[in-house]
Amino acid sequence: DQQVKQNSPSLSVQEGRISILNCDYTNSMFDYFLWYKKYPAEGPTFLISISSIKDKNEDGRFTVFLNKSAKHLSLHIVPSQPGDSAVYFCAAKRDTGTASKLTFGTGTRLQVTL
Amino acid sequence: DTAVSQTPKYLVTQMGNDKSIKCEQNLGHDTMYWYKQDSKKFLKIMFSYNNKELIINETVPNRFSPKSPDKAHLNLHINSLELGDSAVYFCASSRRQGVTDTQYFGPGTRLTVL
Repeated sequence: DQQVKQNSPSLSVQEGRISILNCDYTNSMFDYFLWYKKYPAEGPTFLISISSIKDKNEDGRFTVFLNKSAKHLSLHIVPSQPGDSAVYFCAAKRDTGTASKLTFGTGTRLQVTL
Repeated sequence: DTAVSQTPKYLVTQMGNDKSIKCEQNLGHDTMYWYKQDSKKFLKIMFSYNNKELIINETVPNRFSPKSPDKAHLNLHINSLELGDSAVYFCASSRRQGVTDTQYFGPGTRLTVL
């Protein structure tokens, strides 16, 4: 039962353009959403997050949008840079009381071309 | 000054052996996690410890036993290794801050069982 889905396994964008990565979820109990970036042979690196009570969070070139009614979130990167080429994981958090349990999507590989 | 570190980075072993992976964090966090990323790239939580207490234990074979000697360390011991245990194992840590509980990941340990 895949509760967090990233339906695009890969995305190619030209340098300077906008990259839009999408994520869908099914569990309405998720209260916090995160995006992680992963380079080969490294661990996931936290990028940006958004609480379920908000619909937008912006940090520099990165903006995350949340549409709760559609159970959909997206990550916008603008302008895209070659160093942004990586695998991006969407994650959703459900509170267990004493710890956060993250459910990850399968990732989208972003390639930013020159 | 690595925040979350794991050793070893690579581990190649024979079926039936027992092996351990170590994790340490110097972020002062009180919660640590083990994740498994399988061949399909799914990143799934296995265990979580809060202040040395086991708080999340997903459906994992009892051949896997986490040990937390203190808040900064969470080791993973695997008995009687099987081919299906081949994966990348990631350690993570977090500090609870209300809803915003961001997890930080180590670089991963690639385990290959022959």
